[in-house]
Amino acid sequence: EPEVTQTPSHQVTQMGQEVILRCVPISNHLYFYWYRQILGQKVEFLVSFYNNEISEKSEIFDDQFSVERPDGSNFTLKIRSTKLEDSAMYFCASSERRQGNQPQHFGDGTRLSIL
Amino acid sequence: AQRVTQPEKLLSVFKGAPVELKCNYSYSGSPELFWYVQYSRQRLQLLLRHISRESIKGFTADLNKGETSFHLKKPFAQEEDSAMYYCALSGFRNTGTASKLTFGTGTRLQVTL
Repeated sequence: EPEVTQTPSHQVTQMGQEVILRCVPISNHLYFYWYRQILGQKVEFLVSFYNNEISEKSEIFDDQFSVERPDGSNFTLKIRSTKLEDSAMYFCASSERRQGNQPQHFGDGTRLSIL
Repeated sequence: AQRVTQPEKLLSVFKGAPVELKCNYSYSGSPELFWYVQYSRQRLQLLLRHISRESIKGFTADLNKGETSFHLKKPFAQEEDSAMYYCALSGFRNTGTASKLTFGTGTRLQVTL
């Protein structure tokens, strides 16, 4: 069964550094999402992406965050200048382009640790 | 605004006992409700969606619009059901727009012998 893949599984970065989290969505999916989960808290929506543009973003997704689909397969989340509070699990998800809410399929996540 | 409430952080049951994981939601439009499960060290996996009205691994969930609930039930718990369960809500969307999921805080189900 096709899966969403995320790399790296764990990223350790100094505060203030830029970090790029990578995702390869399922190949025939056209909607892409990023979520994050701070330790002990719930999974929170960050951003959704369709047709090469952001569909919706949460208040968490400020100017420090950006997303990109640089080629036909990758979907990236960039944090420009990381802060301690950016430490979390980041999940990528994708879903099909069909009428109604098709289920979102999640990757294993990237654990981001900011020192 | 979308909100999902899972009142229990931990639910501990004996093997063979019935399970009910509670989920209540708040949404002004027409919601779609999902249950996701996360087994130890694994990814979030879709367990159920209300629109399918199916039973997966013995679990069922019925959308009750009057009570704004989508409780997850299983008549007889198994050890392998031990996991983290998340209720999630999405607003209806037309093709061409991506619709976010709003998650509850999750309930850890612990099935003991």
